[in-house]
Amino acid sequence: QQQVKQSPQSLIVQKGGISIINCAYENTAFDYFPWYQQFPGKGPALLIAIRPDVSEKKEGRFTISFNKSAKQFSLHIMDSQPGDSATYFCAAINNAGNMLTFGGGTRLMVKP
Amino acid sequence: EPEVTQTPSHQVTQMGQEVILRCVPISNHLYFYWYRQILGQKVEFLVSFYNNEISEKSEIFDDQFSVERPDGSNFTLKIRSTKLEDSAMYFCASSPPGNNEQFFGPGTRLTVL
Repeated sequence: QQQVKQSPQSLIVQKGGISIINCAYENTAFDYFPWYQQFPGKGPALLIAIRPDVSEKKEGRFTISFNKSAKQFSLHIMDSQPGDSATYFCAAINNAGNMLTFGGGTRLMVKP
Repeated sequence: EPEVTQTPSHQVTQMGQEVILRCVPISNHLYFYWYRQILGQKVEFLVSFYNNEISEKSEIFDDQFSVERPDGSNFTLKIRSTKLEDSAMYFCASSPPGNNEQFFGPGTRLTVL
């Protein structure tokens, strides 16, 4: 029940296209959902996060869509750029603690 | 911009040896964490630390592991007797009070031979 399932495992998008990564969870006690971006050899960097009281959050080209009833959330990267090529992880924290549970990761490649 | 730092960047050790991985969290943060990432896999939680004690730990964090905040700035992870399967990237993270945002360091690559 602590799992966060992420798809797809890998994604190839043309420059200027929209990248969409999906995550699903079971634990209804999760109440904070961040997305992390990781470049090879680096630590995960917080990209954007959402709480379940809103259905969407946008920061620049990055948008999280959140569907509480379906227990799903997704990351949309608009106007994808080659510099966005990285591994993206969704994650969740439950309201009883501060342990991040990560999804399996999506390796995004944006072709020029 | 303040950031979490970790040393060393790469540690090679023999199986059965003890290793200490070091982290300097962001200065006004109060919550500290260790995560690990086996090559090509997802990031896994090990332990969280607050007010000089462990607040949560995962099943991975067994008796071979310990954490310490020896002074006002460092946060360490000790593995007493390393196994081959301990080879991974180890990430330290910290978060400020009243905020779920966790900021990660660059990681220490541990290789156990």
